[in-house]
Amino acid sequence: KQEVTQIPAALSVPEGENLVLNCSFTDSAIYNLQWFRQDPGKGLTSLLLIQSSQREQTSGRLNASLDKSSGRSTLYIAASQPGDSATYLCAVTDSGGSNYKLTFGKGTLLTVNP
Amino acid sequence: GAVVSQHPSWVICKSGTSVKIECRSLDFQATTMFWYRQFPKQSLMLMATSNEGSKATYEQGVEKDKFLINHASLTLSTLTVTSAHPEDSSFYICSRRLAGGSYEQYFGPGTRLTVT
Repeated sequence: KQEVTQIPAALSVPEGENLVLNCSFTDSAIYNLQWFRQDPGKGLTSLLLIQSSQREQTSGRLNASLDKSSGRSTLYIAASQPGDSATYLCAVTDSGGSNYKLTFGKGTLLTVNP
Repeated sequence: GAVVSQHPSWVICKSGTSVKIECRSLDFQATTMFWYRQFPKQSLMLMATSNEGSKATYEQGVEKDKFLINHASLTLSTLTVTSAHPEDSSFYICSRRLAGGSYEQYFGPGTRLTVT
């Protein structure tokens, strides 16, 4: 059974700092990996999707990397802003006979202080 | 803009009553939609896969007679929580998946259910 772990559970940084969020998964037979942002009491916003054949994806100040063989992904946020404060969730889509379901980590709660 | 909507955004009901939550795909027809539940400070847990025109597939431990799913059209899936109890209070989120290609999922804004 796929398990996704995110470290740290919470992170507080001053505005302007670069930061890295970590995600690991136990079964490397994945189809893709997605990073989401969730604001309190809200749904999920997709940030980046990395296919299993890719190594990284970039969108603005965000860069996500994937090392499928070692079961790890990182989300790099450059020049953090108070508006980046949210919970960041990592999720993997299992390949094969799983009907391409998503398995989520518990998330990293990020607070960017002005 | 939003591609998946949910209604209602929040609902309070009394124990023993039933509540229906709607999930709509606004831009594309969705043969497959997913229902998740999220408890406070926990991650999303998949409850069931909703398939248009056929029975939903439930995850282990989810009571299919309690959480009724209907996917009668290509743009609408509904989740009915029957005989709700306080322990059913949670945040329910649906998603729509692109068919083929990236299999990327797009999520609705969620429905906060409180059972008193």
